[in-house]
Amino acid sequence: NAGVTQTPKFQVLKTGQSMTLQCAQDMNHNSMYWYRQDPGMGLRLIYYSASEGTTDKGEVPNGYNVSRLNKREFSLRLESAAPSQTSVYFCASSVVSGYSYEQYFGPGTRLTVT
Amino acid sequence: AQSVTQLDSHVSVSEGTPVLLRCNYSSSYSPSLFWYVQHPNKGLQLLLKYTSAATLVKGINGFEAEFKKSETSFHLTKPSAHMSDAAEYFCVVSVSPGSQGNLIFGKGTKLSVKP
Repeated sequence: NAGVTQTPKFQVLKTGQSMTLQCAQDMNHNSMYWYRQDPGMGLRLIYYSASEGTTDKGEVPNGYNVSRLNKREFSLRLESAAPSQTSVYFCASSVVSGYSYEQYFGPGTRLTVT
Repeated sequence: AQSVTQLDSHVSVSEGTPVLLRCNYSSSYSPSLFWYVQHPNKGLQLLLKYTSAATLVKGINGFEAEFKKSETSFHLTKPSAHMSDAAEYFCVVSVSPGSQGNLIFGKGTKLSVKP
C-alpha cells in the first residue's frame, strides 16, 4: 500500500516549457487535490476533483490544467511554465465521509522554472 | 467564510520543555479541524483531527489539541519536546459540509527544538 505517489520528485524547466506532474493513489479515495506550497504561504489549492470525471478550480488555478484520468490518477499540467510557478507541488486524496475530511499527501514535486 | 490563523510563524523551545502552537479559526458552522506536520523536505502527515466528538483530541507522537468554541481556538500542545519534533506545523479547517472535503491551511508555524 503505497498511499499517494508523485512523479517526478524534482524538475527544472525553462520559461515557456511545458510539463505534466503525475499523481496516483491506491486507497480507493474519491477526491483528489493539487496544492502548491510557497514559503510563508501555507498550502494553496490549485484544482480538485471530487470524483472521477469531475474537476474544479481552487484558489490559484491560473496557468494550470488538470486531468482526472481514472479514480486512481490525477495529473497537473503546466502548458507554458513561468518563474512564478517555481514551487513545491503536493497531491492529496481523501474519502469525504460525513465530517471526516482528512487528506493524505504525496511526497511532493519540487519545481524550479528559470 | 472560513479561515484559520496561526498566531506564531516560528516557535523555539528547549528539549524536554512544553510545546504550545496557537491556532484560531473562523467558521460560520461547526468545523472539522486538523493539525498536520511537515518535516523538512517531506510531505504532510496528519497529527490529529477534531470532528465534533470529544473536545480534547489526542494525536500521534504525544501531541494533543483542545477545541474551544468560545475562544474559536484549537491550540496544539505537547508536554515535553523532543528533537525529532522540529518541523513545520499547519492548522487546517474544513471549508464546509458538502464542499468535496476542501480544506483551508494556515500559513504554518516552524518549531525549532534546542538541545
